[in-house]
Amino acid sequence: DADVTQTPRNRITKTGKRIMLECSQTKGHDRMYWYRQDPGLGLQLIYYSFDVKDINKGEISDGYSVSRQAQAKFSLSLESAIPNQTALYFCATSDGLYADTGELFFGEGSRLTVL
Amino acid sequence: AQSVTQPDIHITVSEGASLELRCNYSYGATPYLFWYVQSPGQGLQLLLKYFSGDTLVQGIKGFEAEFKRSQSSFNLRKPSVHWSDAAEYFCAVGGAGANNLFFGTGTRLTVIP
Repeated sequence: DADVTQTPRNRITKTGKRIMLECSQTKGHDRMYWYRQDPGLGLQLIYYSFDVKDINKGEISDGYSVSRQAQAKFSLSLESAIPNQTALYFCATSDGLYADTGELFFGEGSRLTVL
Repeated sequence: AQSVTQPDIHITVSEGASLELRCNYSYGATPYLFWYVQSPGQGLQLLLKYFSGDTLVQGIKGFEAEFKRSQSSFNLRKPSVHWSDAAEYFCAVGGAGANNLFFGTGTRLTVIP
């Protein structure tokens, strides 16, 4: 089983619908992240969380919200999806023991299409 | 401001040829540098990282990278490319006290027989 699991892997939805992408990890890491990948733009940080009670906005948080239900679970929600949120979404974890940027461990991605 | 530039969007090399992927960074403190690879339909996998010490670092799959502070570069190299190396490669920078990594826009590698 993968250390970082994302569900669903693929989702097609319509404009205005609420969508939730879920991420769970078995690595025991405190830090979890949601990134968005668009062709030619690389990865952009949406939200990150250093523990259950610590959630922070990233570069492109508008239109998104997150929930850290437990150390191992971090969900990304689109309250009212719009077509320009069509992208590949990645969850990642890291071990923030030393409060420095460590290696990120990625899930396999969730491809979201908003029609 | 932090940023990473990968000037080559797409590179094509012949199998067995050498490879160099360029990465330049801007970072206000001591940088931690990373190269990740993304195979089709997969998440990103770490190839190698540089935190401190020897500026030539070895990674998985026969890759290496050299940190050049004077040039703000961290180029990825491989002496002989295999067809399985076809993928997208991302350079990233972070650092002490930073909250996350900043990624470049990626370089897509095509390997021809």
